[in-house]
Amino acid sequence: TQLLEQSPQFLSIQEGENLTVYCNSSSVFSSLQWYRQEPGEGPVLLVTVVTGGEVKKLKRLTFQFGDARKDSSLHITAAQPGDTGLYLCAASNGGFKTIFGAGTRLFVKA
Amino acid sequence: GAVVSQHPSRVICKSGTSVKIECRSLDFQATTMFWYRQFPKQSLMLMATSNEGSKATYEQGVEKDKFLINHASLTLSTLTVTSAHPEDSSFYICSAAGGGTNEKLFFGSGTQLSVL
Repeated sequence: TQLLEQSPQFLSIQEGENLTVYCNSSSVFSSLQWYRQEPGEGPVLLVTVVTGGEVKKLKRLTFQFGDARKDSSLHITAAQPGDTGLYLCAASNGGFKTIFGAGTRLFVKA
Repeated sequence: GAVVSQHPSRVICKSGTSVKIECRSLDFQATTMFWYRQFPKQSLMLMATSNEGSKATYEQGVEKDKFLINHASLTLSTLTVTSAHPEDSSFYICSAAGGGTNEKLFFGSGTQLSVL
């Protein structure tokens, strides 16, 4: 069974702080995605990474795919209250059947 | 961008009744759709893969007779929770692959099912 371990599960920080969320697996994936989900809504795709060592930036968010394509990280610089939400890593292998990590619930205090 | 519409967004039903949830791809055709359930403060768990014109593929531990999936057209998949019980109360989310040459997975907005 392929599993994605995500850490931390919960993070409460002050506005302006930086944070990193990790997503690890013992399996190799062809692509890995990061989603953000608001309460009562479906997840919204933030980024997809497919190449080992790949780094993508989305404003204050930096995503990295591990060289071996087994792990990934999401780094947020200068977090803002609007960043509050559930961040999910997800992975797939050559198709759209996707498994999800347990999620990281981020709360940014003003 | 591609849009997936899920209906209803919220449903409350009595124990023993059946509930149907619809998932529509509004501006693209989706030969494959996926159904997930999500318990409070937990992640999404894949329930089944819905294939247009054929039987759905269920994940281990998911009762196919309880969660009936029909994918009768390229734009519509339905999930019917039969003889619902309180333990079936959950947030159900569908997704569909689309987007032409740059295919992505698009998610519906989810259905909150509460079984009394």
